[in-house]
Amino acid sequence: GENVEQHPSTLSVQEGDSAVIKCTYSDSASNYFPWYKQELGKRPQLIIDIRSNVGEKKDQRIAVTLNKTAKHFSLHITETQPEDSAVYFCAATATFKLTFGTGTRLQVTL
Amino acid sequence: GAVVSQHPSWVICKSGTSVKIECRSLDFQATTMFWYRQFPKQSLMLMATSNEGSKATYEQGVEKDKFLINHASLTLSTLTVTSAHPEDSSFYICSALPPQARLNQPQHFGDGTRLSIL
Repeated sequence: GENVEQHPSTLSVQEGDSAVIKCTYSDSASNYFPWYKQELGKRPQLIIDIRSNVGEKKDQRIAVTLNKTAKHFSLHITETQPEDSAVYFCAATATFKLTFGTGTRLQVTL
Repeated sequence: GAVVSQHPSWVICKSGTSVKIECRSLDFQATTMFWYRQFPKQSLMLMATSNEGSKATYEQGVEKDKFLINHASLTLSTLTVTSAHPEDSSFYICSALPPQARLNQPQHFGDGTRLSIL
């Protein structure tokens, strides 16, 4: 089955700086890669996703890149704000079943 | 659109009790729902796939007799944790897909249920 690794597990950045979270996956058949933001005690919220026929996707301050050859994808958040503080999960799937990464706790400090 | 409701949001009960959690798709029909479990400070782990009108498919290591899943209608799936023990304490989250869902479409998550077994 699919295995998704995520790094770093914790990330602290100053407000206004950029944050990068990286994930690698094992199943070359995976073709859908969503990113979720989860605040404490709440549901995961989809913030951006990318499909295997695209190498990069951007939505305002958030961007995701995908390297299918290397089987890794990354989340980039620019101009970070305190409200970006949360746990971020990457996921990968070739079907409907999502395999999640281990999560990154992002702390944006003033 | 694409709202998934989960109930209850929080439940505390004694060891040995069975607890039922409901997952409803409010504005669409969901032929497939997924149940995840999330322990504190850990990732979401898929427990089972719930298909309307058929038996659920459980992931490896998940006891089907412990976690009973019923998906009797296109808008409701239930997860019953039978004879719950403290180690079953966790955050349980469901997600749902509409009937015409294609691969590479996002899932819609419920708000989750925090289960605490004393």
